[in-house]
Amino acid sequence: DADVTQTPRNRITKTGKRIMLECSQTKGHDRMYWYRQDPGLGLRLIYYSFDVKDINKGEISDGYSVSRQAQAKFSLSLESAIPNQTALYFCATRSETREAEAFFGQGTRLTVV
Amino acid sequence: AQSVTQLDSQVPVFEEAPVELRCNYSSSVSVYLFWYVQYPNQGLQLLLKYLSGSTLVKGINGFEAEFNKSQTSFHLRKPSVHISDTAEYFCAVSEYSSASKIIFGSGTRLSIRP
Repeated sequence: DADVTQTPRNRITKTGKRIMLECSQTKGHDRMYWYRQDPGLGLRLIYYSFDVKDINKGEISDGYSVSRQAQAKFSLSLESAIPNQTALYFCATRSETREAEAFFGQGTRLTVV
Repeated sequence: AQSVTQLDSQVPVFEEAPVELRCNYSSSVSVYLFWYVQYPNQGLQLLLKYLSGSTLVKGINGFEAEFNKSQTSFHLRKPSVHISDTAEYFCAVSEYSSASKIIFGSGTRLSIRP
């Protein structure tokens, strides 16, 4: 089984709909992250969480919200989806060790029509 | 705040040729540096990382990178590429002080011609 699992893998939704992307990890790490990937822009940080009670905005949090349901679960919501939120979304987890690398899920390809 | 610049969005090379993917970073404090690879339809996986010590870092699949503090660079190299190296490569940085988040560059798409 993958260390970081994202569901769904692909989703098409209509403008104005609410949608939730889910992420779970088995690494036992406290830190979890949501990124979006757009061609030519790389990965941009949406939100990150250090534990269940500690959630922080990243560089592009507008239009998104998150919920940390447990140490292993971190979901991303689009309250009212718009077409420019069409992107590839990645969840990642990382240990507290300062030099630690991040472990990524397989990604969720979201299309807003 | 830290930032990462990957100057080349695409790099085409012939199979068995050497390749260098460039990365420059900006930060007011010391940083950790990473290279990740993304194969088609997959997530990112770590190629190598620089923490401290020797400036030449060796990673998986024959890749290596050299940290140059004076030029704030961390270029990725491979002496002889294979078709299987076709992927997108991301340089990333994380600050020593908090290491709360990893900031990524815009990526370089490496395409290998037979």
